[in-house]
Amino acid sequence: AQSVSQHNHHVILSEAASLELGCNYSYGGTVNLFWYVQYPGQHLQLLLKYFSGDPLVKGIKGFEAEFIKSKFSFNLRKPSVQWSDTAEYFCAVMPANAGGTSYGKLTFGQGTILTVHP
Amino acid sequence: GAVVSQHPSRVICKSGTSVKIECRSLDFQATTMFWYRQFPKQSLMLMATSNEGSKATYEQGVEKDKFLINHASLTLSTLTVTSAHPEDSSFYICSSLGTDTQYFGPGTRLTVL
Repeated sequence: AQSVSQHNHHVILSEAASLELGCNYSYGGTVNLFWYVQYPGQHLQLLLKYFSGDPLVKGIKGFEAEFIKSKFSFNLRKPSVQWSDTAEYFCAVMPANAGGTSYGKLTFGQGTILTVHP
Repeated sequence: GAVVSQHPSRVICKSGTSVKIECRSLDFQATTMFWYRQFPKQSLMLMATSNEGSKATYEQGVEKDKFLINHASLTLSTLTVTSAHPEDSSFYICSSLGTDTQYFGPGTRLTVL
């Protein structure tokens, strides 16, 4: 079974600071990787995803993430955060090419709350 | 991204009653949908996989007789919490599986008195 670990439970930054949220996973096979964001009072939204190809993926709102296979990591980054980025961020993995009852299943990390002060 | 709706958004019920939550995939047909539960300040916990036209697959520790799932069409899955108790109070979230990506509904806040 896969597992996902997000290193920081709560990150507090000032506007314009750079952001990096850590995410590590454990799984014996190939995975698809996701970052979701949950703004206060809203539903989970897909921020970006990685399936294959260029390990540096760009998502919405200026976010990007880099897949480092050797480190089993998929860290989320943004060069300059805004107050509107205040939200909870979830890293998730899905076994790639899985069939049967594992198809499409996501395993989530614990989530990281990001608070950005204006 | 795809649009998934849930109804109701909030429900308060008395202990012992049953509550039905609907999850609709509005802009694509979803053979597979998922139901999650989210406790305060915690991550999403997968409860079950809902498959159109067949029985749901429940995760370990989730009571299938308590959390009834029906996926009768490609756009609708329902979760019924039977004989609800206060410990069932939680935030229930569904998702639809597109092409290797899940799209989430807004969630339903259930409060059992």
